[in-house]
Amino acid sequence: GQNIDQPTEMTATEGAIVQINCTYQTSGFNGLFWYQQHAGEAPTFLSYNVLDGLEEKGRFSSFLSRSKGYSYLLLKELQMKDSASYLCAVVSGGYNKLIFGAGTRLAVHP
Amino acid sequence: GAVVSQHPSRVICKSGTSVKIECRSLDFQATTMFWYRQFPKQSLMLMATSNEGSKATYEQGVEKDKFLINHASLTLSTLTVTSAHPEDSSFYICSPLDPGEGTEAFFGQGTRLTVV
Repeated sequence: GQNIDQPTEMTATEGAIVQINCTYQTSGFNGLFWYQQHAGEAPTFLSYNVLDGLEEKGRFSSFLSRSKGYSYLLLKELQMKDSASYLCAVVSGGYNKLIFGAGTRLAVHP
Repeated sequence: GAVVSQHPSRVICKSGTSVKIECRSLDFQATTMFWYRQFPKQSLMLMATSNEGSKATYEQGVEKDKFLINHASLTLSTLTVTSAHPEDSSFYICSPLDPGEGTEAFFGQGTRLTVV
């Protein structure tokens, strides 16, 4: 079966660092995405990992361990506008189909 | 990145009527289109995958006769919710696959459907 787990909710303080974890068990694996989604809007791309290791892009970094079926998204220097849902999605199967986790709602407070 | 246009962004319809949602890829040709549905505070659930010129493949539990998908051209796909009911109220998002962008997924702006 297909299973992607991530925490439902997290809170953090403005200026701090937060790590959002994602574990997956899928029948196939062709990479892992992290998306940000504000309420009522479409997801926006944050990162893509297909090889093990850390990918850094500004305030956002994403890590992947394929052997452990594990990824995390690291957000640094948190800002209020970072309050959103963060979706972990695995590329699995033909046609590069995305399987999404339930999403993690992050609340950043002053 | 690829440019995707989805409309309408919001629609309210009466129970029993049908609603058509359009998704266009403006600067690339999408041979494959994914349609997702998202209920409040839940993640995106894949409804169906369509390829230009052929029948869509529906995920388990999605009624193909209720959610009609047409992918007649490489730049346009439509999702029609037929005989809509209040429980069909949801956020529908299209995602055309751009072969030139590798595996990155691009999304339409989404359509908020409310059935009253």
